[in-house]
Amino acid sequence: AQSVAQPEDQVNVAEGNPLTVKCTYSVSGNPYLFWYVQYPNRGLQFLLKYITGDNLVKGSYGFEAEFNKSQTSFHLKKPSALVSDSALYFCAVRDPSGGATNKLIFGTGTLLAVQP
Amino acid sequence: EAGVAQSPRYKIIEKRQSVAFWCNPISGHATLYWYQQILGQGPKLLIQFQNNGVVDDSQLPKDRFSAERLKGVDSTLKIQPAKLEDSAVYLCASSSLAGYSYNEQFFGPGTRLTVL
Repeated sequence: AQSVAQPEDQVNVAEGNPLTVKCTYSVSGNPYLFWYVQYPNRGLQFLLKYITGDNLVKGSYGFEAEFNKSQTSFHLKKPSALVSDSALYFCAVRDPSGGATNKLIFGTGTLLAVQP
Repeated sequence: EAGVAQSPRYKIIEKRQSVAFWCNPISGHATLYWYQQILGQGPKLLIQFQNNGVVDDSQLPKDRFSAERLKGVDSTLKIQPAKLEDSAVYLCASSSLAGYSYNEQFFGPGTRLTVL
């Protein structure tokens, strides 16, 4: 069965420092991986995705993520954190062998808190 | 481009009452999803439509939840009767058919349901 784990409930980082939000996954085939961000009282916003190709994926707002097949990980990174990056981040996976359904399996979320 | 619209934004009801949520997807998006997001958890897919047909409703509690998308555009999700454990944010999302299996989903702001 597909699953996603976000091992950290919260990540604290000082503004200007690099940040990493961790995600590991489990699927039967090659995964499609996504990161979404959720600001208070708002829906999820797409950040980036890995489908195939280069393991380093660049997305919105300066974020990037590295796909590591051997470690089954897809960690979200940013070289220099901003206070405005403070939000709830979700990793999600889709198993492309899942047939007609395009169901995403989400992790439990990681709250990123960037201190000024 | 207008985003995914949902209404109402907030709803408070007592247990055993009924409630309905409405969603209007991004224009031209054939696929529509309803997710349930319980506090502290990631979104969980309830039902997926492609045009006006159901693709996946395996996690929809069909004894109390129902959903329809009669004309292949907007959709309603209904709960009858509501239980305390239905308190959650109900998110609607849509995606286009092109690149179906790996396209990102666009989310609405959600409806926060509180069942007392």
